[in-house]
Amino acid sequence: DAGVTQSPTHLIKTRGQQVTLRCSPKSGHDTVSWYQQALGQGPQFIFQYYEEEERQRGNFPDRFSGHQFPNYSSELNVNALLLGDSALYLCASSLGRGQRYEKLFFGSGTQLSVL
Amino acid sequence: GIQVEQSPPDLILQEGANSTLRCNFSDSVNNLQWFHQNPWGQLINLFYIPSGTKQNGRLSATTVATERYSLLYISSSQTTDSGVYFCAVGTGFQKLVFGTGTRLLVSP
Repeated sequence: DAGVTQSPTHLIKTRGQQVTLRCSPKSGHDTVSWYQQALGQGPQFIFQYYEEEERQRGNFPDRFSGHQFPNYSSELNVNALLLGDSALYLCASSLGRGQRYEKLFFGSGTQLSVL
Repeated sequence: GIQVEQSPPDLILQEGANSTLRCNFSDSVNNLQWFHQNPWGQLINLFYIPSGTKQNGRLSATTVATERYSLLYISSSQTTDSGVYFCAVGTGFQKLVFGTGTRLLVSP
């Protein structure tokens, strides 16, 4: 049973560029959440997708956008990259089914460096 | 928004020692989870425990929701327990607010 998979594992970009990160949820899960973890900090919630729609969003600018596909996989897009966007980006999957509280399972993350 | 504080921020143990990690939160929550982040960055879910007590091997957790705190107990610590332990709480649709973590180092 495959867990949550993310790609790529590492990425280097320059300021102003755009980036797309990908996530496949754990088998049987239908909800994907994205978190940003800066060095030495706890993860911060970016947004969550359920039934191909953004269900909830954290305090992140519109430069951060996402998408969920019919197979429940998801993409995180960041436009006009800033140096401060350098971080570990984590994808978490869970069962939505309209239930509010579920155990989250995380992928290994994508380490993004913006130069 | 809800605030999550964890203590201690850093902890150094000898292998075999026991420890207690604490998580305080500022408001009522319906979701509380403990995670271990290993040195390679992988976040492992240890417990989903909005209230009550649970045990899994050498680890156990207790949440007293009415007093807004949770405790994670690690017994007979091993070097593989090293890493950062996060408490995360939520109030709706599975969005979690993470604490700043407790960094644990277990030496042989």
